[in-house]
Formats: sequence, structure tokens, C-alpha cells
Amino acid sequence: AQTVTQSQPEMSVQEAETVTLSCTYDTSESNYYLFWYKQPPSRQMILVIRQEAYKQQNATENRFSVNFQKAAKSFSLKISDSQLGDTAMYFCAFPYNTDKLIFGTGTRLQVFP
Amino acid sequence: NAGVTQTPKFQVLKTGQSMTLQCAQDMNHNSMYWYRQDPGMGLRLIYYSASEGTTDKGEVPNGYNVSRLNKREFSLRLESAAPSQTSVYFCASSDPGIKVFKNTEAFFGQGTRLTVV
Repeated sequence: AQTVTQSQPEMSVQEAETVTLSCTYDTSESNYYLFWYKQPPSRQMILVIRQEAYKQQNATENRFSVNFQKAAKSFSLKISDSQLGDTAMYFCAFPYNTDKLIFGTGTRLQVFP
Repeated sequence: NAGVTQTPKFQVLKTGQSMTLQCAQDMNHNSMYWYRQDPGMGLRLIYYSASEGTTDKGEVPNGYNVSRLNKREFSLRLESAAPSQTSVYFCASSDPGIKVFKNTEAFFGQGTRLTVV
């Protein structure tokens, strides 16, 4: 079975600090993408970053980067220089059978001033 | 561009009533999805449609039906609403393509907050 696990229901960080959100997944497939989505209080789902599993290099988008460890099936999100606007729910997502996107249970991140 | 449009945004139903959630996308995507979001449960896939004319069950299909009316539209129907179906519902679409490494980035509607009393 394909699963996505986010073991941190809630996290908090001080503004300008760095925080890492964890995600693990289980699959027998070898070629896939992985995604992190952000959901602010507006409820809108926003793609933060994606990782291509066949690439060794970790993806980076401005202050957001991933630590992708394929053998360990781990896909963590690092947010550097945290800002108040980063306060949101964060979901890790994985495409089951390469076309059905399934999500973890989410991590609620609170950034404090 | 409108992207993915869901209607309605809010709805209150009585137990046993029926309703249809509408979803339309203007990105010419092949795949469309319905998710429900509940506290502590993340987003769970109800049904998805890999292409026009096809639908398949997701993780939590019981109590729901779907119709892929055409490439643009994918509706979700609750035949007899129950309080357990109180949730936020999201429609999404993607276009994984035919490449070996399928980019399934999903684009989401704004969600429908449904309350069943």
C-alpha cells in the first residue's frame, strides 16, 4: 500500500529562524514526483516545491528547500528565514500509481514574531 | 485564467438531503480529483478521473457518486447526506502527461465547506 506519513501535527518557529517539516512515504515505484503544499487560513492549496525522484539534487525554491533521501523514503521540507506569512498547514503529497495524488495528514506551522 | 472553479463555497444540508458539488477546470487537464479535508486527517481522496469518461474510487468513496461530464467538468454527488460527511471538499486537476516521470502537480479549487445537520 502507498502511504504518506507526517509525524509532526504541529510545529512552531520564531521569525527569521529555520524549521524542518518531516515526511516519509512508502512505495515500490522508482519514478515519481513528490510535492509539498501550503494551505494558509484562506484555505487555498498552494504548491510550495516539488522534487523529481530520479534527480539526486535536492530541490530549492527561494527560502524553501527539501532534503530528499530516496533510499530512506524521506522527503523533508526546510524553511529558512521564516516569515509570519509562512504560518499555514503544510502537506506532503505523493502520486499513488503515478497518477493519484495522496496526501499526508499535515503539519500546522505557527511562526511567532 | 480561472483555473479550477468549485461551486458552491458554502452549503448547509439536512440529514438525508442530496446535493451536487460542481467543479470545472479550464486548463485542459486530463485528470480530476475530489478530496475531503477533515481535522487531523489531511486530504483524503474520494474519487478521481484519469480521463474523460473514466472514474475510479479513492480512499473514502462510500456515500458519494461522481460524474465526469466532459473533459472540463467533474461533479460530486451526495445522494443522502449524513453528518459524517460534514467536511471541506476540494476539487483538483492535473495533467500527468505520458512521460515515464509523471508530474502530477495538482491545481485546486477554493473548496466547499459543507455542514450536514
